[in-house]
Amino acid sequence: DSGVTQTPKHLITATGQRVTLRCSPRSGDLSVYWYQQSLDQGLQFLIQYYNGEERAKGNILERFSAQQFPDLHSELNLSSLELGDSALYFCASSVGLQGRRDNEQFFGPGTRLTVL
Amino acid sequence: AQKITQTQPGMFVQEKEAVTLDCTYDTSDPSYGLFWYKQPSSGEMIFLIYQGSYDQQNATEGRYSLNFQKARKSANLVISASQLGDSAMYFCAMREDYNTDKLIFGTGTRLQVFP
Repeated sequence: DSGVTQTPKHLITATGQRVTLRCSPRSGDLSVYWYQQSLDQGLQFLIQYYNGEERAKGNILERFSAQQFPDLHSELNLSSLELGDSALYFCASSVGLQGRRDNEQFFGPGTRLTVL
Repeated sequence: AQKITQTQPGMFVQEKEAVTLDCTYDTSDPSYGLFWYKQPSSGEMIFLIYQGSYDQQNATEGRYSLNFQKARKSANLVISASQLGDSAMYFCAMREDYNTDKLIFGTGTRLQVFP
């Protein structure tokens, strides 16, 4: 158990809908990262938050947004869903201190999103 | 641009034998970190081992060791005494930029351990 929790574990929805994925980082971790794992794109970085502020953006679609709350949990919002958004969405957390050896990222169990 | 390459889509190894999973990387940043993660069929990503670009010695964590050859830009994972439970996907990743700490991943290698 990495200490990172994600809910829900599975999500099945229809095209055009909007969903929210939730992540609670490990205790003490200030950074949260979101990754998408799909068959065609592999594992891709989406976005990072550090202590409530957006720090980095990857290949995140405009239909997707995220935020990190004062209690450090994070939510990833996916809207106007398309079939191609079906994927495993991971949240990871780390201490968030740049360049530090102990800044390894620990991954949650993932949310498997299926868009029908 | 930074890149991670895993050229072995699949590997087989007999139980109790050692196996090496290949990873090469490309970066112009002198300071970087390399990681290996295991993804069993259940889907979670399990951190295995880390190697910093300035580390003088190869990293080891139990049965896992990292064969780091900086000049060749390779960071191969060695699993000793393979167990059936080692069957999984293995991903090599690089911490791309110390400003963000985001990881870029290779395409993975599926390891199957047989009795």
